[in-house]
Amino acid sequence: QSVLTQPPSVSAAPGQKVTISCSGSSSNIGKNYVSWYQQLPGTAPKLLISDNDKRPSGIPDRFSGSKSGTSATLGITGLQTGDEADYYCGTWDSSLSAEVFGGGTKLTVL
Amino acid sequence: EVQLVQSGAEVKKPGESLKISCKASGYTFTNYRIAWVRQMPGKGLERMGIIYPGTSYAIYSPSFQGHITISADTSISTAYLQWSSLKASDTAMYYCARQGFDSWGQGTLVTVSS
Repeated sequence: QSVLTQPPSVSAAPGQKVTISCSGSSSNIGKNYVSWYQQLPGTAPKLLISDNDKRPSGIPDRFSGSKSGTSATLGITGLQTGDEADYYCGTWDSSLSAEVFGGGTKLTVL
Repeated sequence: EVQLVQSGAEVKKPGESLKISCKASGYTFTNYRIAWVRQMPGKGLERMGIIYPGTSYAIYSPSFQGHITISADTSISTAYLQWSSLKASDTAMYYCARQGFDSWGQGTLVTVSS
């Protein structure tokens, strides 16, 4: 059971937009920055969004992040088949004194 | 360019010991902590623990405390994850990641089977 809750799967058609939610609590998302990671099949996770809404160099602006209260959201616009991957949210949990992750969301681009 | 390069896949028997490595390059190794993350087959990411290479101070997540040891050798910019007695349930992909999880190793697949 992950500390952060994500939907197991989402799907959308190419060119469309999708959002992935990440729900936590006052000890994690409520008081700390959220990051998002993309894990393409058979590869290591890659940082997609840091500090709630910042894109590292090289990440297209089709990817966006936001946070409100104890929840965060990853948005992906202009979906491409190459976006099919597992997406994870992560943050620091002040009660556990550790980084925690969501269970992951599998994105299918139909 | 920041790079973390991990050691290769391992196949071990239950009860055997193992030490896997994560070699860092492209930045000052002692300035950033390193985390180890487990991903069991078909499952999500779990942080196992972290190490501050400059001091070798390691912190373990409760689920892994007592079962693993994290260490570092600053002379070769390498972090390690080791087990003294593997179990079948240790079968997983293991990743190292730099502080902030802004750079990840390619992963080391550990298979424990009799």
